[in-house]
Amino acid sequence: DAKTTQPPSMDCAEGRAANLPCNHSTISGNEYVYWYRQIHSQGPQYIIHGLKNNETNEMASLIITEDRKSSTLILPHATLRDTAVYYCIVRVNKGGGADGLTFGKGTHLIIQP
Amino acid sequence: GAVVSQHPSWVICKSGTSVKIECRSLDFQATTMFWYRQFPKQSLMLMATSNEGSKATYEQGVEKDKFLINHASLTLSTLTVTSAHPEDSSFYICSARETTGTDTQYFGPGTRLTVL
Repeated sequence: DAKTTQPPSMDCAEGRAANLPCNHSTISGNEYVYWYRQIHSQGPQYIIHGLKNNETNEMASLIITEDRKSSTLILPHATLRDTAVYYCIVRVNKGGGADGLTFGKGTHLIIQP
Repeated sequence: GAVVSQHPSWVICKSGTSVKIECRSLDFQATTMFWYRQFPKQSLMLMATSNEGSKATYEQGVEKDKFLINHASLTLSTLTVTSAHPEDSSFYICSARETTGTDTQYFGPGTRLTVL
């Protein structure tokens, strides 16, 4: 799986959009970008994933650059409950088999009131 | 949808005893489940891959005789920490992979194990 690089921490004001960057310059053509977050003392929560097109769901938007070497997770209106560690993971989407996820250190997003 | 539960949510045991942790996929079937461990202020580390009806695959450095994994059905995997010692105290988290082919893993809430 391709390695990812994320800033260790970020602050964002409540109500504003939180933009979390992730670099994955060695990503392969068949690797997806996944985002999870972990609120303190809980299991990780799946947020969103994508291959090359931008994706949006009820939680967030995922913007992937055209060369796929980086992406940005956008939380449109951050709330205090969005304070968590956000993990960007790149991996092959295997239909018939699966590997465990490799977690980096992620970005600790702190939403300020 | 895609809910994974774990039981118990926390457990305290004496050194030398065994502890069993259950992981259930509540609304989907999972041929593959995973067990992770997380020490304080560290990231999740994959321990093993649990496949329904077959032996688990362990990551390097994880003792298979100490961490027994059973995946007897498409919705249940269990992790038994045998002869637990204080250094086994950790946050154990399971995940289950949907069999629909999306390859998305959904995580349980975790089990906090404290060995005295």
